[in-house]
Amino acid sequence: AQSVAQPEDQVNVAEGNPLTVKCTYSVSGNPYLFWYVQYPNRGLQFLLKYITGDNLVKGSYGFEAEFNKSQTSFHLKKPSALVSDSALYFCAVRPGGGSYIPTFGRGTSLIVHP
Amino acid sequence: NAGVMQNPRHLVRRRGQEARLRCSPMKGHSHVYWYRQLPEEGLKFMVYLQKENIIDESGMPKERFSAEFPKEGPSILRIQQVVRGDSAAYFCASSPPDLAGGSSYNEQFFGPGTRLTVL
Repeated sequence: AQSVAQPEDQVNVAEGNPLTVKCTYSVSGNPYLFWYVQYPNRGLQFLLKYITGDNLVKGSYGFEAEFNKSQTSFHLKKPSALVSDSALYFCAVRPGGGSYIPTFGRGTSLIVHP
Repeated sequence: NAGVMQNPRHLVRRRGQEARLRCSPMKGHSHVYWYRQLPEEGLKFMVYLQKENIIDESGMPKERFSAEFPKEGPSILRIQQVVRGDSAAYFCASSPPDLAGGSSYNEQFFGPGTRLTVL
C-alpha cells in the first residue's frame, strides 16, 4: 500500500527566508509525486509534480521540489518566503503502475511571519 | 475555461435527512474524484468515477453513501440518513485522461468544496 508522510504539522519561517516543507513516501514501483496548496475555505490548487526526468521540478509561485529516490523524499522548497505563501500544503503520491488513486499526506501548515 | 464547480458551498441538514452534493468538472475532464476532509485528518479518498462508470469506490462507506457521474450533468455524491459524523468538507476534483485513457500522471483540479453540517 502507498503512503505519504509529512512529518511537520506546522512550519514557521520569516519572510524573505528560505522555506522547506518535507514529504516522504512509500510506493511500489516508480512514484508520481505532487504538491498542492490549500488556502482557507478553498479547494486544493496544484503546485508541481514529478513524473520522470530531472529530479528538480519547478512549479507555480516560485516553488520547487527535489525528488530523491534513495531517500524516498520530495521536499517542497522556495528560496524566499512571502507572507502570502502562508497556507496548508499537501504532498500526494500515486504509483506509476496505473493506479489512479492518489494518497495525500496529512498536510503541513506553513506560517510566514512578516 | 471555468474551473471545477461544486454546489452548494454550504449545506445544513438534520440527522436522518439526505444530502446531495453536486460537482461539475472542468470542460474536457472525464475523470472525477470525491474526497472528504476533516480538520487534522487531511484529505481522504472516497470514490473515483468516469462518465457513467464507478471505477473505484473503496474509500466510500458501503452504507448510506452513493455516487454517480451520468452521461449528462454533474457528478452527484449522495448521503442518505445523515449523521453528525458526516459533517465535513467534501471536495470534488477532476482531471483529463492521459494518453492511456487513465489519469495517473495528470494533476487534479479541485472545486471549492461543500461544507456539510449535520445538526
